[in-house]
Amino acid sequence: KAGVTQTPRYLIKTRGQQVTLSCSPISGHRSVSWYQQTPGQGLQFLFEYFSETQRNKGNFPGRFSGRQFSNSRSEMNVSTLELGDSALYLCASSKLEPNTEAFFGQGTRLTVV
Amino acid sequence: AQSVAQPEDQVNVAEGNPLTVKCTYSVSGNPYLFWYVQYPNRGLQFLLKYITGDNLVKGSYGFEAEFNKSQTSFHLKKPSALVSDSALYFCAVIPGGVTGGGNKLTFGTGTQLKVEL
Repeated sequence: KAGVTQTPRYLIKTRGQQVTLSCSPISGHRSVSWYQQTPGQGLQFLFEYFSETQRNKGNFPGRFSGRQFSNSRSEMNVSTLELGDSALYLCASSKLEPNTEAFFGQGTRLTVV
Repeated sequence: AQSVAQPEDQVNVAEGNPLTVKCTYSVSGNPYLFWYVQYPNRGLQFLLKYITGDNLVKGSYGFEAEFNKSQTSFHLKKPSALVSDSALYFCAVIPGGVTGGGNKLTFGTGTQLKVEL
């Protein structure tokens, strides 16, 4: 079956701009989570959506937001980009239960210049 | 709040030798524990998990991990390492038994495994 698809794979944006990243989960998975990966901070949880509702939120500023659509596809948006937002953004899809493993997309590499 | 520690930034091992990548955790209640592997410029791939039951769990590509509740550890092991195992390995935890707690994974900082000929 098809895996988690993230688009685009690479992005270059200028400071102050905004960006939208997209994630299509595995068919049947209704939970979508987003993570930020940087060399300095490692893997950090951004937020999780389930049935179009944000179920969990990490410690990121309000510039980071997300949403989930009725088909479980999710988007995350970062406004007023800062240089420090440069990172690999990973999307993970999973079933409802936390004892099931998450499946990750290949990520979107965002570079802010 | 939960946390995961991976005390070694890098582990070097010769091909054919056994390997161990260490992980300790801190969580309220029973943990759900996971190991993931990441190859360059790729997402994370699931290797194995511990939920309940047998303390020794087997996963993909010949990897296994041993859950030790008293030591709060979940070390990743493989009897015979391959050069192709060279990658970045992450241990992660979710607090178990939390109704509606969601799927928020807390990751360790990662351990770079280098297997040499």
